[in-house]
Amino acid sequence: EIVMTQSPLSLSVTPGQPASISCKSSQSLLYTDGRTYLYWYVQQPGQSPQLLISEVSNRFSGVPDRFSGSGSGTDFTLKISRVEAEDVGVYYCMQSMHLPTFGQGTKLEIK
Amino acid sequence: QVQLVESGGGVVQPGGSLRLSCAVSGFIFYDYAMHWVRQAPGKGLEWVALMSFDGSEEKYSDSVKGRFTISRDNSKNTLFLQMNSLRPEDTAVYFCAKAVNRGAWSVDYWGQGTLVIVSS
Repeated sequence: EIVMTQSPLSLSVTPGQPASISCKSSQSLLYTDGRTYLYWYVQQPGQSPQLLISEVSNRFSGVPDRFSGSGSGTDFTLKISRVEAEDVGVYYCMQSMHLPTFGQGTKLEIK
Repeated sequence: QVQLVESGGGVVQPGGSLRLSCAVSGFIFYDYAMHWVRQAPGKGLEWVALMSFDGSEEKYSDSVKGRFTISRDNSKNTLFLQMNSLRPEDTAVYFCAKAVNRGAWSVDYWGQGTLVIVSS
């Protein structure tokens, strides 16, 4: 099983300021097909998860461009360039290189 | 638009069984693999099971292997999860989720979930 480790587990951000979440995997997520199977989801309060980013850096349909993903191999980062009130929620990374596993989640709060 | 609607949750005693359903619309069901993911109260996400687009492949997490069975009826655009020998630690909201493509082990759209409580 690939273990996904996120940090920090919580962060409080002033609106308009940036935020960054790290995700590290216990094995490389680069597959033999050249693709890297790392995804980011957000679960807003009382809602089901929503896909934000696929394969490290591809924003999903309708996701604002203030969200960006980067990284390679085992180290990945989700960045929000300017946090807005609606960004409150828990952010999860997930790998699908092998059977899916999720990070513990990072709770984003607004100051 | 893509819609996934779970049903079948409820309260069941330890050792009991429950069958969850997920009715989908807004996409060609038989073109996509499908997943079940769960979330225990106040906890994170845990992947449970997946089935390929044609039902030829199924995978399970170690925590449910041998107790849960995923299936699908492509004629009725419905995904199922048969849960047997339920344990208190299976208490969770169960989400069905659409895979990114027919063989994908990643998901894009999620349902709203159905709550399963295993308690005596």
